[in-house]
Amino acid sequence: NAGVMQNPRHLVRRRGQEARLRCSPMKGHSHVYWYRQLPEEGLKFMVYLQKENIIDESGMPKERFSAEFPKEGPSILRIQQVVRGDSAAYFCASSPTGANSPLHFGNGTRLTVT
Amino acid sequence: AQSVTQPDIHITVSEGASLELRCNYSYGATPYLFWYVQSPGQGLQLLLKYFSGDTLVQGIKGFEAEFKRSQSSFNLRKPSVHWSDAAEYFCAVGAGNNDMRFGAGTRLTVKP
Repeated sequence: NAGVMQNPRHLVRRRGQEARLRCSPMKGHSHVYWYRQLPEEGLKFMVYLQKENIIDESGMPKERFSAEFPKEGPSILRIQQVVRGDSAAYFCASSPTGANSPLHFGNGTRLTVT
Repeated sequence: AQSVTQPDIHITVSEGASLELRCNYSYGATPYLFWYVQSPGQGLQLLLKYFSGDTLVQGIKGFEAEFKRSQSSFNLRKPSVHWSDAAEYFCAVGAGNNDMRFGAGTRLTVKP
């Protein structure tokens, strides 16, 4: 019973390139959350999705960032024209029912922008 | 909106000693409260949760936490710390919406 799978584990991009982070939720989970973690900071909520729908994107920057969770396949967090400030660990979490049910986290993708 | 404060950024305890990690929350109603642990290079793992009922909740790995409404606190405790408990601990609060807020974390170091 695989947990939440994120890939890649490490991603290096030059400024101006695009970064695509993938997340496959646990089997049976239809709720996906993306968080960003910076050193010495907690996790910052970015976006909450269900299959084919963005439910809450209040934590996501208005520009350059987008997320999707298609009917088939993993959830994708996409960052266009990356800047050094985007360097962080990005965690995906899933839950079976959403709204305050415990989250199951992936091991994260560490994005480094050079 | 709800918020979480973990006053201690870093705590060091000796192996075998007791542990208490502090967590204070801000929210107008009864919150949903969680403690997660993160080992280096890993995602977060749920230790325990409080939704309602008994204010003292037991979790995995010998951890427990007590919800104190009057103090807006949900402190995590363990009677005897093991070296493998060294990690970062996050308190989180949910409030009936989809935005679970996490504290900044407390890094635990265990001395031999």
